[in-house]
This record gives sequence, C-alpha cells and structure tokens, in this order.
Amino acid sequence: QLQLQESGPGLVEPSQTLSLTCPVFGAPITNTRHYWAWVRQPPGKGLEWIGTIYYNGDASYSPSLRGRVSMSIDTSNKWISLRLTSVTAADTAVYFCTRQSLQYYFDSWGQGTLVTVSS
Amino acid sequence: QSALTQPASVSGSPGQSITISCTGTTSDVGGYNLVSWYQQHPGKAPKLIIYEVNKRPSGVSNDFSGSKSGNTASLTISGLQAEDEADYYCSSYAGDNIFTVFGSGTTVTVL
Repeated sequence: QLQLQESGPGLVEPSQTLSLTCPVFGAPITNTRHYWAWVRQPPGKGLEWIGTIYYNGDASYSPSLRGRVSMSIDTSNKWISLRLTSVTAADTAVYFCTRQSLQYYFDSWGQGTLVTVSS
Repeated sequence: QSALTQPASVSGSPGQSITISCTGTTSDVGGYNLVSWYQQHPGKAPKLIIYEVNKRPSGVSNDFSGSKSGNTASLTISGLQAEDEADYYCSSYAGDNIFTVFGSGTTVTVL
C-alpha cells in the first residue's frame, strides 16, 4: 500500500527557502501511470495546487508560484522534493505530498506537514 | 489562477440529500471531463471520493455521486449521515499551463 510522508523544518524565516522531501513507500516511484504532486493548505483556508512532476523530471508549476518553486524526483532513493524560495508569511501552510493520476485526480495523500514562516 | 466557485456551506438533516456545486469556465470544468471531489475532515488529509466527474474509487460509499452540466459540476450526498460532516473540495484539469485548479471548498453540516 502506498505511503507518503512529508518531512522538513516546521519553521522557516522570511525570505529564506522552504525545502521539503517526501519518500515514497509501497509503490514504484517510476510508475508511468502517475504523477507526483504537492498541494498546500493555509490554516483555515482551502487547497492550493503547487506543482506536479513526472518520473522523468518533467514538471508543471502553479502560475502564482512560478519563479519561486521547483520540484525534483530521485528515483534511486525514491523520494520527491519541493523547494520554495523567498518565502513570506503567506506561504505558511500545511504542505501535502500526493500521487496524481494521469487523469489529474489525487488518489493518495501524505498526512501533511505544517510549515510556518516567521522570524 | 482563479479557484473554482463553491458555496461556502451546505447543511441538511440526517437521511436527506444535499448537492454541492462547483462552477468554473470552459477552460477547466466545462472543457474536460476531469473533475474530482475530495472529502476532508478536520486535521486530516483530503480523501478522493469522485473522479472523472462521476466515478467512485473502490471503498467509497455509493451515497456519493457526481455529475456535470456545462461549466458546473455537482456532488450529491444521498442519505446524509453524521460522518459526512466535513469540508468538500472539487478540482479540475485546467490545461497544460495551469494544470490543476481546486474549488474554494464547502463545509457540510449535518443538523
């Protein structure tokens, strides 16, 4: 059974870089039938798609975050990662690692990790 | 990108049916049969309950059903139960540039 587990610092200072990783257990990360994606949720607010990456490294990012966001995939160590630069308080959110089907629905989710941007 | 429009809240009594709408444009909801719905209980990760407009994943109750007409998708919960009290989000493919957009979310209250 697929398991996703986000990890990274829970506190990031403003203007710094947010970095998260998500090891993939129980399913092949090189599965050509799925993407891997990050979704975030500010406290008390709705879901926001951040970006999606394919096993070959091809990625698409939210237009609102383009320029600050990058994702990578390590097929040897079986994890995906997220980097978000120049963070502000508006980037405070629970960040979810997810698997996304080729039909664009999110069928598996990590438990999420809260990242707070504050000095 | 703009979020898809959902009502902020919907309520119903146990056993009743309720419907949540999700309104987009011809560039997302109306342009593709790639709408999905998620249920989220407080403090938990979202759970997929409908995909490709009207398909249910294995293990999801048939009390949940989806449909679409034009630029608006809908989620119907039949036989409302206390455990259906949660937040619900729609999502749609929105083309190669935007890729995926979520709805604004709807809080369902069981009276």
